Amino acid sequence: AQSVTQLGSHVSVSEGALVLLRCNYSSSVPPYLFWYVQYPNQGLQLLLKYTTGATLVKGINGFEAEFKKSETSFHLTKPSAHMSDAAEYFCALSTQGSARQLTFGSGTQLTVLP
Amino acid sequence: DAGVIQSPRHEVTEMGQEVTLRCKPISGHNSLFWYRQTMMRGLELLIYFNNNVPIDDSGMPEDRFSAKMPNASFSTLKIQPSEPRDSAVYFCASSPKGTGGTSPLHFGNGTRLTVT
Repeated sequence: AQSVTQLGSHVSVSEGALVLLRCNYSSSVPPYLFWYVQYPNQGLQLLLKYTTGATLVKGINGFEAEFKKSETSFHLTKPSAHMSDAAEYFCALSTQGSARQLTFGSGTQLTVLP
Repeated sequence: DAGVIQSPRHEVTEMGQEVTLRCKPISGHNSLFWYRQTMMRGLELLIYFNNNVPIDDSGMPEDRFSAKMPNASFSTLKIQPSEPRDSAVYFCASSPKGTGGTSPLHFGNGTRLTVT
């Protein structure tokens, strides 16, 4: 069975500060990992994904994530938070054998303080 | 590309009534998913279709829920009869043909269902 754990259901940062959202996964086969963002009253949008190759993945809006197999982690970072980054962020996992079924984490609500 | 289109955006109905949610996936995408999002349970996969065929409906909560995909450009999720505990945001998502599980999902803006 595969699972995704997001540490911290709520994270607050000051504008301009580093954003770090944590995601750990469990999978018996190589995972494909995704970060999605959800703004209020909208659907989820893909931020970035890791499938194979380079372990540091860059996404939209200045976000990036690093796949660390030894730590079973895929943390999302952004060097400098902007007010517009306030949203809910979901980490998700799929595998070759799971076709296109994603396992989602429970989400992290990011608040950016002025 | 208009994205995944869901209708209605909001639905308020009384307990016992039939509710039909609609989804138009992105043209050319061959997989379609219905999710439900609540504060208590987060995002739950209800059912997904591949090439218009239901592949896994194990997430459908009970027989009151049914989903159809009569063609590649349209899907419905029906609840009959509806109950207050069905109140949630229902998302439709589609995905292009890809390699294994690497294709990301494209979500609609959801239908917020309130059953009173």
